[in-house]
Amino acid sequence: AQSVTQLDSHVSVSEGTPVLLRCNYSSSYSPSLFWYVQHPNKGLQLLLKYTSAATLVKGINGFEAEFKKSETSFHLTKPSAHMSDAAEYFCVVSFYNQGGKLIFGQGTELSVKP
Amino acid sequence: DGGITQSPKYLFRKEGQNVTLSCEQNLNHDAMYWYRQDPGQGLRLIYYSQIVNDFQKGDIAEGYSVSREKKESFPLTVTSAQKNPTAFYLCASTGRGNEKLFFGSGTQLSVL
Repeated sequence: AQSVTQLDSHVSVSEGTPVLLRCNYSSSYSPSLFWYVQHPNKGLQLLLKYTSAATLVKGINGFEAEFKKSETSFHLTKPSAHMSDAAEYFCVVSFYNQGGKLIFGQGTELSVKP
Repeated sequence: DGGITQSPKYLFRKEGQNVTLSCEQNLNHDAMYWYRQDPGQGLRLIYYSQIVNDFQKGDIAEGYSVSREKKESFPLTVTSAQKNPTAFYLCASTGRGNEKLFFGSGTQLSVL
């Protein structure tokens, strides 16, 4: 079965420290992978995407993610957290063999302490 | 400007009542999706449609119905069979290649 799992429901970091949000997927095929961010009372915004080009993907606001096929992972990182990064983050997988069906992870809430 | 419009923003349902959530897009996107968001459960796929007059069930389709008579429109009906309809509903669409998912602003459905 094809699925996506975000390993942490909540992550708390201090401002200025690194951020790591973990995502693993399960698939027999090479998927397209995305990270989205949802700020309180706002819609979803695309942070970055992987579509079989470079395995290290750079996104907006200093975020990046590395696709590791051997580990079936697509973890999201940022070197230095900012207070404005506090939000809900979703890892999303697209499987073309299922007609482009998009599957969302459960979400990770990121808290940033001053 | 192109985008996705969901209406209403807030909706209340009485017991035994069907309600319909509207989703319209002017992005010329082929694929449209309905997701349900519950606290701590992320977004779960209800239905999706890749082309006009065709749609597939997602992971939690029971108690819901959709139609796709026009490319621009993908309304979701929450039927009386859905016993726990209170949630935030998001409509989305993608262009060719599914490279970017555009979301509407969502509809909060509550039961009276």
